[in-house]
Amino acid sequence: SQQGEEDPQALSIQEGENATMNCSYKTSINNLQWYRQNSGRGLVHLILIRSNEREKHSGRLRVTLDTSKKSSSLLITASRAADTASYFCATHYMYSGGGADGLTFGKGTHLIIQP
Amino acid sequence: NAGVMQNPRHLVRRRGQEARLRCSPMKGHSHVYWYRQLPEEGLKFMVYLQKENIIDESGMPKERFSAEFPKEGPSILRIQQVVRGDSAAYFCASSPPAGKYNEQFFGPGTRLTVL
Repeated sequence: SQQGEEDPQALSIQEGENATMNCSYKTSINNLQWYRQNSGRGLVHLILIRSNEREKHSGRLRVTLDTSKKSSSLLITASRAADTASYFCATHYMYSGGGADGLTFGKGTHLIIQP
Repeated sequence: NAGVMQNPRHLVRRRGQEARLRCSPMKGHSHVYWYRQLPEEGLKFMVYLQKENIIDESGMPKERFSAEFPKEGPSILRIQQVVRGDSAAYFCASSPPAGKYNEQFFGPGTRLTVL
């Protein structure tokens, strides 16, 4: 199966609540990135976390990385209606070639924030 | 500083025709990546190019697909003799010359529809 599988596939919460999405991967990575995609639009980069980092913050976003479990989580605090989108994690392999030069994306978590 | 630009945004072709998708990376970026996204799926890596060089094309279908990134001008993804299964959103991303293990900046995508 592919790298970067997000969980859950869909998440619906009330505005103001926190949203947590998880991502698992299978092989050694150089970094893991989270992206947001609004319906029918391009991807917006949110956070990049490198394999030697454990946690990163950006505004209302908090990303953790556990390389021993090969997993990452994205936490959005105090959610807003505008946060409604699909969220993808993407991994960058350690090695070159064989597709490793590009990012490997999961299928995404579709987040709906109810006003 | 303009972001990654792609054109056209929408492209309709009949089976058997050729499709040409263009991508202009961000100013100062020398690494270009092409991805394909099928409905309700994550992005799949296709090819990684630097100026005048294809670095990794392991994600490209063996036939009908080609990519280039000339010394001057945009990167081109070319699909010959399109079939219905080629209908998808094609995204281009770029990253700076510091290395491929950086965040990738995505364009708005080209949505190809094959009739």
